[in-house]
Amino acid sequence: NAGVTQTPKFQVLKTGQSMTLQCAQDMNHEYMSWYRQDPGMGLRLIHYSVGAGITDQGEVPNGYNVSRSTTEDFPLRLLSAAPSQTSVYFCASSKTDGTQPQHFGDGTRLSIL
Amino acid sequence: GDSVTQMEGPVTLSEEAFLTINCTYTATGYPSLFWYVQYPGEGLQLLLKATKADDKGSNKGFEATYRKETTSFHLEKGSVQVSDSAVYFCALMWGGATNKLIFGTGTLLAVQP
Repeated sequence: NAGVTQTPKFQVLKTGQSMTLQCAQDMNHEYMSWYRQDPGMGLRLIHYSVGAGITDQGEVPNGYNVSRSTTEDFPLRLLSAAPSQTSVYFCASSKTDGTQPQHFGDGTRLSIL
Repeated sequence: GDSVTQMEGPVTLSEEAFLTINCTYTATGYPSLFWYVQYPGEGLQLLLKATKADDKGSNKGFEATYRKETTSFHLEKGSVQVSDSAVYFCALMWGGATNKLIFGTGTLLAVQP
């Protein structure tokens, strides 16, 4: 009964490095999304996907890439890390009928030095 | 655009006190409404939801009623416990192709023994 699994839980990067945050769900959900959580700003949507092969930008997409080659996986890539990307990142998934809640992973705490 | 406004915290209460966290929304139409809770160091968990006007969501002693007239979804609990200390997020969601959640900024609740 894994739900949404995010790896790693913690990561420290240097400015300019790249990395991929992994997200996997085992609930056969069509919809997956990435949020970042910053103090005093709630959660802001970075990218989302409504199914395999389909992705779109959210509120704060700059500096991030995503792909959705399978229903289960939705990785988030930081191309060239910047200190402004220091944040806690959450992946979420749900059915797409507009009434079902999104299920969240436990988050990845990312620090960019 | 659509938005969610919730009262700023922190809210500090004594155990067994009555809790109200205000939430209002701006949206064209009738989205689904949610309250999520985030305990320290964890991801977001769904607390309750309402999908249409006058619906009341309830869970673990918490309640919220979808008020179309006042565009509100206030969270209430009659008697809080120390274990309720967490950050509470109000959110709205549209279904269909986007299924995106829009969050408020969160309200920190601290319950003292």
